[in-house]
Amino acid sequence: DVKVTQSSRYLVKRTGEKVFLECVQDMDHENMFWYRQDPGLGLRLIYFSYDVKMKEKGDIPEGYSVSREKKERFSLILESASTNQTSMYLCASSLGTGETYEQYFGPGTRLTVT
Amino acid sequence: AQKITQTQPGMFVQEKEAVTLDCTYDTSDQSYGLFWYKQPSSGEMIFLIYQGSYDEQNATEGRYSLNFQKARKSANLVISASQLGDSAMYFCAMREALDKLIFGTGTRLQVFP
Repeated sequence: DVKVTQSSRYLVKRTGEKVFLECVQDMDHENMFWYRQDPGLGLRLIYFSYDVKMKEKGDIPEGYSVSREKKERFSLILESASTNQTSMYLCASSLGTGETYEQYFGPGTRLTVT
Repeated sequence: AQKITQTQPGMFVQEKEAVTLDCTYDTSDQSYGLFWYKQPSSGEMIFLIYQGSYDEQNATEGRYSLNFQKARKSANLVISASQLGDSAMYFCAMREALDKLIFGTGTRLQVFP
């Protein structure tokens, strides 16, 4: 079974802190994604990566950056956390480009910025 | 622009009954894919079912089926014989280029005894 893990289930940080959210997948997937989920807004794509060291902006990249130094690991970085970044963050991976390749999700990190 | 619309914020269904969760989409692409995911209270997104735009048959996976009406641009999820464990958020999504997914806002389903 595909397993996508995220470093923390719950995280509390202070405004202005630099925050790292880590995601690891164990199935050699090419693509990895970071979403944030807010009530009434569904999931919105922050960044994605289709290869090591490659990254592409999603729909809401402002205030975030990412890093993918190894194929299995995709990190989301909040350079200076703000209260409006309080949210649930979900990481996902998929095998590669193709219509039938579903995304596999991690358990999510619920981040609170105070 | 591509868009997914789920107009039902919440739905109730009695155990063992069938329920339909609505999803409409908007795209100008000829080739696309539609997905349904379930999110229990634990937070993890679970893939349920997939329908390709060229698939002539409606997709089915156990108690889940996708009622695909291409001309109406709808991809409704049908859950037959609901169980208490089906209580969750359900998201419809459409695949864009490079495997990106666009999600709807979700429907919260509650199954009661």
